[in-house]
Amino acid sequence: DAGITQSPRHKVTETGTPVTLRCHQTENHRYMYWYRQDPGHGLRLIHYSYGVKDTDKGEVSDGYSVSRSKTEDFLLTLESATSSQTSVYFCAISDPNEQFFGPGTRLTVL
Amino acid sequence: SQQGEEDPQALSIQEGENATMNCSYKTSINNLQWYRQNSGRGLVHLILIRSNEREKHSGRLRVTLDTSKKSSSLLITASRAADTASYFCATAYSGAGSYQLTFGKGTKLSVIP
Repeated sequence: DAGITQSPRHKVTETGTPVTLRCHQTENHRYMYWYRQDPGHGLRLIHYSYGVKDTDKGEVSDGYSVSRSKTEDFLLTLESATSSQTSVYFCAISDPNEQFFGPGTRLTVL
Repeated sequence: SQQGEEDPQALSIQEGENATMNCSYKTSINNLQWYRQNSGRGLVHLILIRSNEREKHSGRLRVTLDTSKKSSSLLITASRAADTASYFCATAYSGAGSYQLTFGKGTKLSVIP
């Protein structure tokens, strides 16, 4: 999968708890993205990064924050998880045209 | 709101037949891309067509782009059971140092052996 990993792969958590998802790449690509995928909605962009410490909001950024302190790592944080954030989260990288996707993280918020 | 919209939402064909999926979008783009997603997996890039191109081929895939109609089509010829997957179009926008793709909701293709 183009040298991109996500951790954890599965997580169950409770409403109100903080959650951090990690995306790690070994391709040295400049751009990194976090998406969520929900039935009936397809893939929606949460946040993206176009360089170390350079990030911006996507279509559905409310309730999420990101950080990128190194080229290879892009973290997605849910400060206080809600049931509406139950989803499958995908990280992607690009340089810059085609995107390469990680295997996904299935997050369940009870 | 999402840029690309695929049509149909679901398509079922017999092995060996051709499958055609369409994508419409709303604003100017740099390029348009097609991705495939097998159940439970991440998306895989299939093909990219730039805004100044009209047609592109890759193996059994043929993509067309009509910027005047803001639409694209993906044709898979001589389909195989292994082509069963969801297919997404994604429109690319770049500006001010950023580069984003906006994905449609996908077409679910079932190829019956």
